[in-house]
Amino acid sequence: AQTVTQSQPEMSVQEAETVTLSCTYDTSESDYYLFWYKQPPSRQMILVIRQEAYKQQNATENRFSVNFQKAAKSFSLKISDSQLGDAAMYFCAYRSAQTSYDKVIFGPGTSLSVIP
Amino acid sequence: ETGVTQTPRHLVMGMTNKKSLKCEQHLGHNAMYWYKQSAKKPLELMFVYNFKEQTENNSVPSRFSPECPNSSHLFLHLHTLQPEDSALYLCASRGGAGSAGETQYFGPGTRLLVL
Repeated sequence: AQTVTQSQPEMSVQEAETVTLSCTYDTSESDYYLFWYKQPPSRQMILVIRQEAYKQQNATENRFSVNFQKAAKSFSLKISDSQLGDAAMYFCAYRSAQTSYDKVIFGPGTSLSVIP
Repeated sequence: ETGVTQTPRHLVMGMTNKKSLKCEQHLGHNAMYWYKQSAKKPLELMFVYNFKEQTENNSVPSRFSPECPNSSHLFLHLHTLQPEDSALYLCASRGGAGSAGETQYFGPGTRLLVL
C-alpha cells in the first residue's frame, strides 16, 4: 500500500525568507500524481502545486516550486519570499495514475508559521 | 470559494440523533469524496463515488451512511454517533480532462460535535 510521510509537524519562517517542506512517499508504481495542498486556518483546502511523475521537470507556481526526486521518492515544497498569508497547514498527497483508482493518500501535514 | 459547498457548516448532535451532511459541487466533476479530519491526525478517506457509484469504502462504521443521488450531490447520513466521531468532515470533488482533472476541490467542511 502507498504511504505518504511528512516528517516536520511544524515549521516556521521569517517573512520574505525561503522555507522547504519535506515529503516522502512509498509506492511500487511508476505513474502517479503528487500534490501539495494548503489549508489556512478556518478556510478551505486548496491546491498549491501538482506534479506528474512521468514529467522530469519540477513544477513551479509563482513563489512555489517542488523538488521531485522520483528515485528517492521525495517531493519537497519550496516557498520563496514567504508572506503572512502562507501560514497554513500543508499536506502532501499521492494518487495513482490508474484510471480505475480514486483514492488519494494524504500525509499528516506540516503546520507552517510565518513570522513578521 | 471553490465551487464545492457544504451544509451545515456546524452541527451539534446527541448520540441518539439522526442528521445528514450535504455536499454540492458546481464544477461538473464526476468523482466526490468524504474525508474525516480530526485534530492531530491525518486526513482520513471515508468514501469515494465516481459517476454515482461507490468505489471506495475505507472500512467506515455503518453509523455513517453515504448517498450519491447524482454526480453533483453527496450526502453523509449520521446515526447513533459516538463522541469520537466529532471532527471536521470535508467533501471534495475531482474530474475533468487531463492532469488538471486529478486535482481535488474541497468544500469548507462541516464541524461536527457529538455530545
